[in-house]
Amino acid sequence: AQSVSQHNHHVILSEAASLELGCNYSYGGTVNLFWYVQYPGQHLQLLLKYFSGDPLVKGIKGFEAEFIKSKFSFNLRKPSVQWSDTAEYFCAVNALRTGGFKTIFGAGTRLFVKA
Amino acid sequence: SQTIHQWPATLVQPVGSPLSLECTVEGTSNPNLYWYRQAAGRGLQLLFYSVGIGQISSEVPQNLSASRPQDRQFILSSKKLLLSDSGFYLCALIQQGGYEQYFGPGTRLTVT
Repeated sequence: AQSVSQHNHHVILSEAASLELGCNYSYGGTVNLFWYVQYPGQHLQLLLKYFSGDPLVKGIKGFEAEFIKSKFSFNLRKPSVQWSDTAEYFCAVNALRTGGFKTIFGAGTRLFVKA
Repeated sequence: SQTIHQWPATLVQPVGSPLSLECTVEGTSNPNLYWYRQAAGRGLQLLFYSVGIGQISSEVPQNLSASRPQDRQFILSSKKLLLSDSGFYLCALIQQGGYEQYFGPGTRLTVT
């Protein structure tokens, strides 16, 4: 069965520290990969996505993620976090099923950045 | 651009009562529609998805059901609520031919 695993549930960093959030998925077919972010009190919004091509994708606010097919991973990175990056981050996988896409989300990682 | 409406925004219901949460979309046709439940520390659990009118796929056995009576309407229901049904319910869509998921504002359900 399709699943998404996020390695850390809670991460606490100081401003300017580097960030890497792990994400692994299990699905043998073609997938689209996403990271979504939910800032306190706001809707989920797309941070970045991978469909094909260059496995290193860049998103908004200085975030990037690398798709490593052999490891079934799609880790999120940012070289220097800011207090405003405090949010919950969700990795998601779209798998094509008959008639449409089925999207599975990871459990989420809560990031708290200390000023 | 597409817009997702959900109502009510918040709901408090007693155990054993029925439930009906509505999701309607604008600005797109024939989208894939999704119901998720978001719980702290558990991420977004996919409950149902629909690729068209009357077509519902259920992801987990549970006390809930879904229906899609119109292209842009997706309803989440229950005949008798359980305490464990409390949570934050999100409706989402993927546009026809698209890949990115767009989310509605959600409904906070508390079962007492």
